Amino acid sequence: EAQVTQNPRYLITVTGKKLTVTCSQNMNHEYMSWYRQDPGLGLRQIYYSMNVEVTDKGDVPEGYKVSRKEKRNFPLILESPSPNQTSLYFCASSPNPGGSQYFGPGTRLTVL
Amino acid sequence: QKEVEQNSGPLSVPEGAIASLNCTYSDRGSQSFFWYRQYSGKSPELIMFIYSNGDKEDGRFTAQLNKASQYVSLLIRDSQPSDSATYLCAVTVSGTYKYIFGTGTRLKVLA
Repeated sequence: EAQVTQNPRYLITVTGKKLTVTCSQNMNHEYMSWYRQDPGLGLRQIYYSMNVEVTDKGDVPEGYKVSRKEKRNFPLILESPSPNQTSLYFCASSPNPGGSQYFGPGTRLTVL
Repeated sequence: QKEVEQNSGPLSVPEGAIASLNCTYSDRGSQSFFWYRQYSGKSPELIMFIYSNGDKEDGRFTAQLNKASQYVSLLIRDSQPSDSATYLCAVTVSGTYKYIFGTGTRLKVLA
């Protein structure tokens, strides 16, 4: 089944404790992206990747890191999480930049 | 800052009616336009994409794009209670590989 998977689905952590949210797609898509969704603010793009080893900032990149070492994986790293990063996070992939995106199931992160 | 604007709703329509959802965008150079449906607690699901001016139909859904006026709309014919969800409009940002989403319109279809 063609899909985007994310892990973990739920995470509660404390301020400053480094964490990684994994994202993987099995559709051989070139483009992958991370979003956060907050009430009243909608979906905002954090980082995106056009292909392996090619990444760029979205609209809200502060406090996040990404890497794209393999085409299928695009992990999101929070090196020192803060409470304002409490949010619902979605990973998405697209066959190409500018194309239709397909979303993972989401990761609900709470930073205490 | 590029923007995509949607009326937050809720937009309430009776079952069987046509629901009309609208979206305006600020980036005149945007090339690709998308409508997603999002049920509460779930991830966005692609409904339609449109790249050219005019109408594009897929089943009960019609997307309409007017680049001169910078708006894109989604019509849902024969609305069903299962269509009750939040509908997100998304556009690509010219000169980049970014996407911008609107905050969504909540649709309620009344049985």
